Amino acid sequence: DTGVSQNPRHKITKRGQNVTFRCDPISEHNRLYWYRQTLGQGPEFLTYFQNEAQLEKSRLLSDRFSAERPKGSFSTLEIQRTEQGDSAMYLCASSLELPNEKLFFGSGTQLSVL
Amino acid sequence: DQQVKQNSPSLSVQEGRISILNCDYTNSMFDYFLWYKKYPAEGPTFLISISSIKDKNEDGRFTVFLNKSAKHLSLHIVPSQPGDSAVYFCAASDRNQFYFGTGTSLTVIP
Repeated sequence: DTGVSQNPRHKITKRGQNVTFRCDPISEHNRLYWYRQTLGQGPEFLTYFQNEAQLEKSRLLSDRFSAERPKGSFSTLEIQRTEQGDSAMYLCASSLELPNEKLFFGSGTQLSVL
Repeated sequence: DQQVKQNSPSLSVQEGRISILNCDYTNSMFDYFLWYKKYPAEGPTFLISISSIKDKNEDGRFTVFLNKSAKHLSLHIVPSQPGDSAVYFCAASDRNQFYFGTGTSLTVIP
């Protein structure tokens, strides 16, 4: 068990560019979550998958954000036409199906939009 | 609307003393509560959890207390060690999502 893996660790991009992040969850975990965290705040829910199905999306997730989890394994989060307000740490987490199963987080992808 | 609140942004304690971190929640549907610890530039790591059917859970130096009537939980660390210095997040689950507080930065002074 190598834990939750996220790539890249850091991403610097110019405003208006598209970026894509990848998350590899713990292999037997069927739930995968994406969170966003900014300085001084807690992780903020974006979306989650159970296997390949995207079950819930936050109202905060604009149309510029899209996430996929093909075949129920790894997941990608794409942000189109990035804005400076998108600068944040993007965290991926996985778990077995609830109830009472804890989240295991990756190290995150730090996005800076210039 | 913040459903999980940590009203103390920071806390400093002397090494060897008790650290008490507090958390309040508003949603009575939450039935599972967790504490995470986070170092800079790393993802949060799980510390301890408690189900809503319990009022206390202990793991070594860490104890979590749950008061359902007050919608309040707390994390006790005793004795506190310098390596405990980190940001601590409280989280609550309604079986679909996990909701996080804004964190408390703990500094343990040697």
